[in-house]
Amino acid sequence: QVQLVESGGGVVQPGRSLRLSCAASGFTFSTSPMHWVRQAPGKGLEWVALISYDGDNKYYTDSVRGRFSISRDNSKNTVSLQMNSLRPEDAAIYYCATTLRGSYRNPFEFWGQGTRVTVSS
Amino acid sequence: EIVLTQSPGTLSLSPGERATLSCRASQSVSISYLAWYQQKPGQAPRLLIYGASRRPTGIPDRFSGSGSGTDFTLTISRLEPEDFGVYYCQQFGSSFTFGPGTKVDIK
Repeated sequence: QVQLVESGGGVVQPGRSLRLSCAASGFTFSTSPMHWVRQAPGKGLEWVALISYDGDNKYYTDSVRGRFSISRDNSKNTVSLQMNSLRPEDAAIYYCATTLRGSYRNPFEFWGQGTRVTVSS
Repeated sequence: EIVLTQSPGTLSLSPGERATLSCRASQSVSISYLAWYQQKPGQAPRLLIYGASRRPTGIPDRFSGSGSGTDFTLTISRLEPEDFGVYYCQQFGSSFTFGPGTKVDIK
């Protein structure tokens, strides 16, 4: 079955960096686009970033562009989110999500359980 | 950016009742690019409806979606105890945006 397991969350000071990872299994990772979605405490869902199946195309929401970087390793079935210059407003649960339908113009069929990022001095 | 608005913010209903949730987009969204998710406390979201009206395998048929253009609706025909939670609409035709959610709680 499809499994997505996030890791790397924790407490970090404003301005510092953190790297999140998502380990995928149970599907053909190398043909699937991967997303990161976040949810601030008590708030709704916010799409953060997308990487195409081959890593050639990357997209970001405006508030993280230039600070966050998404990448993937298809040999290890992992997707990562490098988060630099963290701000208090970046504090959230970060989910990785995917679709098995090929194109990224598809709903997010599968989600991980999330990893919590706290940004505080 | 396409902004999604959901109403009502909270819906208080009893098991067995019908729930009607609304999602309105600031611009027209293709029916193919609209989805609904359910999220329960402490859990990741779960895809309920996509293509405005299609259900993934395993989603009960009491959940249905409809709409077109800028107005979409999620209907739960008869609420079960496990249906209480927060429901989000999402468009993925132009970047990716979620609505603010509708909380369905027990009356």
